[in-house]
Amino acid sequence: EMQLVQSGAEVKKPGESLRISCKASGYTSTTYWIAWVRQMPGKGLEWMGMIYPGDSDTRYSPSFQGQVIISADKSSNTAYLQWNSLRASDTAIYYCMRHTGDLWGQGALVTVSS
Amino acid sequence: DIQMTQSPSSLSASVGDRVTITCRASQGIRTDLGWYQQKPGKAPKRLISAAYSLQSGVPSRFSGSGSGTEFSLTISSLQPEDFATYYCLQHNTYPWTFGQGTKVEVK
Repeated sequence: EMQLVQSGAEVKKPGESLRISCKASGYTSTTYWIAWVRQMPGKGLEWMGMIYPGDSDTRYSPSFQGQVIISADKSSNTAYLQWNSLRASDTAIYYCMRHTGDLWGQGALVTVSS
Repeated sequence: DIQMTQSPSSLSASVGDRVTITCRASQGIRTDLGWYQQKPGKAPKRLISAAYSLQSGVPSRFSGSGSGTEFSLTISSLQPEDFATYYCLQHNTYPWTFGQGTKVEVK
Protein backbone atom coordinates (compact mmCIF):
# COMPACT_ATOMS: atom_id res chain seq x y z
CA GLU A 1 0.00 0.00 0.00
CA MET A 2 1.34 3.41 -0.94
CA GLN A 3 1.45 5.81 1.98
CA LEU A 4 3.11 8.82 3.49
CA VAL A 5 3.45 8.58 7.26
CA GLN A 6 4.31 11.70 9.19
CA SER A 7 5.87 12.10 12.59
CA GLY A 8 3.67 12.98 15.52
CA ALA A 9 2.40 16.16 17.09
CA GLU A 10 4.93 18.49 18.65
CA VAL A 11 4.74 21.17 21.33
CA LYS A 12 7.64 23.59 21.35
CA LYS A 13 8.64 26.94 22.81
CA PRO A 14 9.47 30.00 20.72
CA GLY A 15 13.10 29.96 19.63
CA GLU A 16 13.41 26.17 19.74
CA SER A 17 14.34 24.09 16.72
CA LEU A 18 12.27 21.30 15.20
CA ARG A 19 12.39 18.79 12.39
CA ILE A 20 9.33 16.82 11.32
CA SER A 21 9.37 13.90 8.94
CA CYS A 22 7.37 12.26 6.18
CA LYS A 23 8.22 8.65 5.31
CA ALA A 24 7.16 7.23 1.98
CA SER A 25 6.41 3.57 1.44
CA GLY A 26 4.82 1.35 -1.18
CA TYR A 27 6.29 3.18 -4.17
CA THR A 28 9.63 4.31 -5.56
CA SER A 29 9.99 7.49 -3.54
CA THR A 30 12.96 8.83 -5.47
CA THR A 31 10.84 9.36 -8.59
CA TYR A 32 8.25 11.68 -7.06
CA TRP A 33 8.63 15.13 -5.55
CA ILE A 34 7.35 15.61 -2.00
CA ALA A 35 5.66 18.90 -1.15
CA TRP A 36 4.94 20.46 2.23
CA VAL A 37 1.66 22.27 2.88
CA ARG A 38 0.79 24.45 5.87
CA GLN A 39 -2.66 24.90 7.36
CA MET A 40 -2.87 27.46 10.12
CA PRO A 41 -5.74 27.10 12.60
CA GLY A 42 -9.06 27.63 10.84
CA LYS A 43 -7.35 28.71 7.63
CA GLY A 44 -6.70 27.44 4.12
CA LEU A 45 -3.91 25.44 2.54
CA GLU A 46 -0.55 27.04 1.71
CA TRP A 47 2.09 25.44 -0.51
CA MET A 48 5.48 25.81 1.19
CA GLY A 49 7.86 24.05 -1.15
CA MET A 50 8.91 20.69 -2.45
CA ILE A 51 11.89 18.39 -2.83
CA TYR A 52 12.92 15.68 -5.24
CA PRO A 53 14.40 12.97 -3.00
CA GLY A 54 16.40 11.48 -5.87
CA ASP A 55 18.82 14.40 -5.95
CA SER A 56 17.46 16.76 -3.24
CA ASP A 57 16.55 19.43 -5.79
CA THR A 58 14.35 21.82 -3.82
CA ARG A 59 11.85 24.57 -4.62
CA TYR A 60 10.53 27.03 -2.05
CA SER A 61 7.64 29.41 -2.03
CA PRO A 62 9.04 32.93 -1.50
CA SER A 63 6.74 33.16 1.53
CA PHE A 64 8.68 30.35 3.22
CA GLN A 65 12.17 30.74 1.74
CA GLY A 66 14.61 31.35 4.60
CA GLN A 67 11.98 30.45 7.21
CA VAL A 68 12.16 26.64 6.86
CA ILE A 69 14.49 24.04 5.43
CA ILE A 70 13.23 21.16 3.33
CA SER A 71 15.49 18.14 3.05
CA ALA A 72 15.34 14.45 2.24
CA ASP A 73 17.17 11.20 2.88
CA LYS A 74 16.67 8.93 -0.10
CA SER A 75 18.15 5.95 1.70
CA SER A 76 15.27 6.00 4.19
CA ASN A 77 12.59 7.36 1.79
CA THR A 78 12.01 10.26 4.17
CA ALA A 79 11.47 13.97 3.61
CA TYR A 80 11.90 16.55 6.34
CA LEU A 81 10.70 20.01 7.24
CA GLN A 82 12.90 21.91 9.67
CA TRP A 83 12.84 25.13 11.64
CA ASN A 84 15.91 26.54 13.37
CA SER A 85 13.98 29.04 15.50
CA LEU A 86 10.26 28.55 15.90
CA ARG A 87 7.75 31.35 16.33
CA ALA A 88 4.23 31.29 17.72
CA SER A 89 3.03 31.99 14.18
CA ASP A 90 4.42 28.61 13.06
CA THR A 91 1.58 26.94 14.95
CA ALA A 92 -0.22 24.93 12.30
CA ILE A 93 -0.86 21.52 10.83
CA TYR A 94 1.79 20.55 8.30
CA TYR A 95 1.01 18.04 5.58
CA CYS A 96 3.34 16.33 3.17
CA MET A 97 1.99 15.48 -0.25
CA ARG A 98 3.29 13.54 -3.23
CA HIS A 99 3.57 16.06 -6.05
CA THR A 100 0.87 14.27 -8.05
CA GLY A 101 -1.57 15.21 -5.28
CA ASP A 102 -2.93 11.70 -4.95
CA LEU A 103 -1.09 10.81 -1.76
CA TRP A 104 -1.01 12.82 1.45
CA GLY A 105 0.41 12.31 4.90
CA GLN A 106 -1.94 12.39 7.87
CA GLY A 107 -0.67 15.79 8.99
CA ALA A 108 1.46 16.86 11.93
CA LEU A 109 0.24 19.47 14.40
CA VAL A 110 3.01 21.80 15.53
CA THR A 111 2.16 24.01 18.50
CA VAL A 112 4.56 26.78 19.47
CA SER A 113 3.75 28.40 22.78
CA SER A 114 5.61 29.83 25.72
CA ASP B 1 3.34 34.22 -8.08
CA ILE B 2 0.17 33.05 -9.78
CA GLN B 3 -2.86 34.08 -7.74
CA MET B 4 -5.76 31.64 -7.62
CA THR B 5 -9.02 33.44 -6.87
CA GLN B 6 -11.62 30.97 -5.72
CA SER B 7 -15.30 31.78 -5.38
CA PRO B 8 -17.49 31.74 -3.50
CA SER B 9 -15.66 31.52 -0.19
CA SER B 10 -18.68 29.71 1.23
CA LEU B 11 -22.08 28.54 0.13
CA SER B 12 -25.14 27.01 1.69
CA ALA B 13 -26.86 24.23 -0.22
CA SER B 14 -29.27 21.36 0.23
CA VAL B 15 -28.91 17.69 -0.57
CA GLY B 16 -29.66 17.24 -4.25
CA ASP B 17 -28.58 20.74 -5.27
CA ARG B 18 -26.19 21.40 -8.13
CA VAL B 19 -23.14 23.28 -6.87
CA THR B 20 -20.43 25.03 -8.86
CA ILE B 21 -17.18 26.44 -7.50
CA THR B 22 -14.82 28.48 -9.65
CA CYS B 23 -11.12 29.27 -9.64
CA ARG B 24 -9.59 32.03 -11.68
CA ALA B 25 -5.83 32.12 -12.29
CA SER B 26 -4.00 35.42 -12.59
CA GLN B 27 -2.26 34.06 -15.68
CA GLY B 28 -2.73 31.12 -17.97
CA ILE B 29 -1.96 27.71 -16.49
CA ARG B 30 -3.16 25.45 -19.32
CA THR B 31 -4.94 22.60 -17.48
CA ASP B 32 -2.37 22.32 -14.69
CA LEU B 33 -4.96 22.40 -11.92
CA GLY B 34 -6.35 19.99 -9.38
CA TRP B 35 -9.37 20.08 -7.08
CA TYR B 36 -9.24 18.85 -3.49
CA GLN B 37 -11.82 18.12 -0.83
CA GLN B 38 -11.02 18.50 2.85
CA LYS B 39 -13.19 17.40 5.74
CA PRO B 40 -12.58 18.61 9.32
CA GLY B 41 -9.59 16.97 10.94
CA LYS B 42 -8.60 15.14 7.77
CA ALA B 43 -5.95 15.53 5.10
CA PRO B 44 -7.13 16.87 1.75
CA LYS B 45 -8.20 14.36 -0.87
CA ARG B 46 -7.69 14.88 -4.58
CA LEU B 47 -10.91 14.75 -6.59
CA ILE B 48 -9.79 15.94 -10.00
CA SER B 49 -6.44 16.32 -11.76
CA ALA B 50 -5.49 18.09 -14.97
CA ALA B 51 -8.60 20.26 -14.64
CA TYR B 52 -11.12 17.58 -15.60
CA SER B 53 -9.75 14.06 -14.94
CA LEU B 54 -11.73 12.37 -12.20
CA GLN B 55 -9.62 10.56 -9.62
CA SER B 56 -10.30 6.84 -9.45
CA GLY B 57 -12.96 6.08 -6.88
CA VAL B 58 -14.43 9.59 -6.85
CA PRO B 59 -18.15 9.65 -7.58
CA SER B 60 -19.16 10.75 -11.06
CA ARG B 61 -21.32 13.56 -9.63
CA PHE B 62 -18.04 15.50 -9.38
CA SER B 63 -16.74 17.07 -12.58
CA GLY B 64 -14.17 19.65 -13.51
CA SER B 65 -13.82 21.94 -16.49
CA GLY B 66 -11.82 24.83 -17.82
CA SER B 67 -8.40 25.72 -19.14
CA GLY B 68 -6.17 28.74 -19.23
CA THR B 69 -7.45 31.03 -16.49
CA GLU B 70 -11.00 29.89 -15.70
CA PHE B 71 -11.84 26.63 -14.00
CA SER B 72 -14.81 25.13 -12.28
CA LEU B 73 -15.73 22.20 -10.07
CA THR B 74 -19.33 21.05 -10.25
CA ILE B 75 -21.19 18.68 -7.97
CA SER B 76 -24.25 17.64 -9.93
CA SER B 77 -26.35 16.44 -6.99
CA LEU B 78 -24.98 17.27 -3.58
CA GLN B 79 -24.86 14.36 -1.14
CA PRO B 80 -24.56 14.50 2.67
CA GLU B 81 -20.93 13.38 2.54
CA ASP B 82 -20.04 16.27 0.20
CA PHE B 83 -20.33 18.96 2.86
CA ALA B 84 -16.68 19.95 3.16
CA THR B 85 -14.19 22.57 2.06
CA TYR B 86 -12.88 22.52 -1.50
CA TYR B 87 -9.60 23.91 -2.83
CA CYS B 88 -8.03 24.33 -6.23
CA LEU B 89 -4.25 24.02 -6.68
CA GLN B 90 -2.26 25.21 -9.69
CA HIS B 91 0.93 23.33 -10.48
CA ASN B 92 1.92 25.12 -13.66
CA THR B 93 4.46 27.53 -12.18
CA TYR B 94 6.50 27.70 -8.98
CA PRO B 95 5.45 28.50 -6.39
CA TRP B 96 2.40 26.31 -6.66
CA THR B 97 -0.61 28.08 -5.20
CA PHE B 98 -3.93 27.09 -3.69
CA GLY B 99 -7.21 28.92 -3.95
CA GLN B 100 -8.56 30.33 -0.69
CA GLY B 101 -11.08 27.50 -0.32
CA THR B 102 -14.86 27.16 -0.55
CA LYS B 103 -16.78 25.83 2.40
CA VAL B 104 -19.95 24.00 1.38
CA GLU B 105 -22.42 24.07 4.25
CA VAL B 106 -25.86 22.68 4.92
CA LYS B 107 -28.66 25.09 4.08
